[in-house]
Amino acid sequence: DAGITQSPRHKVTETGTPVTLRCHQTENHRYMYWYRQDPGHGLRLIHYSYGVKDTDKGEVSDGYSVSRSKTEDFLLTLESATSSQTSVYFCAIVDSRSNTGELFFGEGSRLTVL
Amino acid sequence: SQQGEEDPQALSIQEGENATMNCSYKTSINNLQWYRQNSGRGLVHLILIRSNEREKHSGRLRVTLDTSKKSSSLLITASRAADTASYFCATDTGRRALTFGSGTRLQVQP
Repeated sequence: DAGITQSPRHKVTETGTPVTLRCHQTENHRYMYWYRQDPGHGLRLIHYSYGVKDTDKGEVSDGYSVSRSKTEDFLLTLESATSSQTSVYFCAIVDSRSNTGELFFGEGSRLTVL
Repeated sequence: SQQGEEDPQALSIQEGENATMNCSYKTSINNLQWYRQNSGRGLVHLILIRSNEREKHSGRLRVTLDTSKKSSSLLITASRAADTASYFCATDTGRRALTFGSGTRLQVQP
């Protein structure tokens, strides 16, 4: 257990509304990631962070922004949600004590955009 | 396009049988990892094989890696109903983050 919690776990919202998902970790890990999971696509990287205020884009970053003002929190924001952003969102961290780069995942946030 | 692609997409076997899943990838890698996902849960790391390794074992899991063919296989021996889950391969190319395939759904019938 890498001490990762995601909130909210479930959210239903309407097209055009802003949404923020939070990933919180308790063990001071440096690297944090946001993936989305859709049927037939596996997991696709949205954004990642390698430290406070250091973030970068993944392969499906359009329509998403992130912020990391504290080591423990990595926020994913949909400025204006669209139906194509209906998905399950997973936060993950790399355990700083590991030299293999394996990921530890949160339990996911299921977002439905109507 | 996905760096890793699993085959088959779905697999149904009886308890006690072996389950084999394959993963193909496109670019050179540092390591390849396999993850498991139970329905409605996050992914859990199973096993990692480095690019200079050919085979690795962990309990009932056996992973092979053929870098010349850019492919890997995951074998679960003596499967149990509790092994029912989706299995994903993920490649570490040294860039950004792990790249995941679309997964194999394994159903083990009791």
